[in-house]
Amino acid sequence: GAVVSQHPSWVICKSGTSVKIECRSLDFQATTMFWYRQFPKQSLMLMATSNEGSKATYEQGVEKDKFLINHASLTLSTLTVTSAHPEDSSFYICSATDRLSYEQYFGPGTRLTVT
Amino acid sequence: AQSVTQPDIHITVSEGASLELRCNYSYGATPYLFWYVQSPGQGLQLLLKYFSGDTLVQGIKGFEAEFKRSQSSFNLRKPSVHWSDAAEYFCAVGPTNNDMRFGAGTRLTVKP
Repeated sequence: GAVVSQHPSWVICKSGTSVKIECRSLDFQATTMFWYRQFPKQSLMLMATSNEGSKATYEQGVEKDKFLINHASLTLSTLTVTSAHPEDSSFYICSATDRLSYEQYFGPGTRLTVT
Repeated sequence: AQSVTQPDIHITVSEGASLELRCNYSYGATPYLFWYVQSPGQGLQLLLKYFSGDTLVQGIKGFEAEFKRSQSSFNLRKPSVHWSDAAEYFCAVGPTNNDMRFGAGTRLTVKP
């Protein structure tokens, strides 16, 4: 089956630093990738939609300068949390849409802790 | 705007008992409806989805869901729960197969 990977699976960083999270579709090409944020015991909140080769579309209330998204290829999207603060600590999940089947597949998530 | 409500935050059932998880949605047209399961340390797994046609949808792991337009509901059911079904369950709605919005989730605990 289709697999989406995320790297790293967990990361701890200090306040003020930046951290990059990768999302890869391993066995299919993804024209669209989505980034979600999930707080403990809460639902997934869509942060942004990225299409290969174009700028990401951010949901209302999401700071595009803080959460930089790059979708450089049909198999890779990255989320960079810039100048991280403790309130950015969360579980970040990506998903990717198979360009052929239009099915959406989710990655396992990345746990970010900012100290 | 589309939205999803899962009224039950936490449900506990005994192993072998039947299960029903509730989902109500708000959407202007016929939506795409989904149920996902999230186990600790794992990604979301699609259980089933509804786009059109038969309103009773069969999914994986013995789950089914019924779309009821009059009630704006898409409840998930399983006739006999197994201990391995303990997880977080999310209902989602969207205009297409993507761009979905998730409910708050229902945590299922299974008693031995």
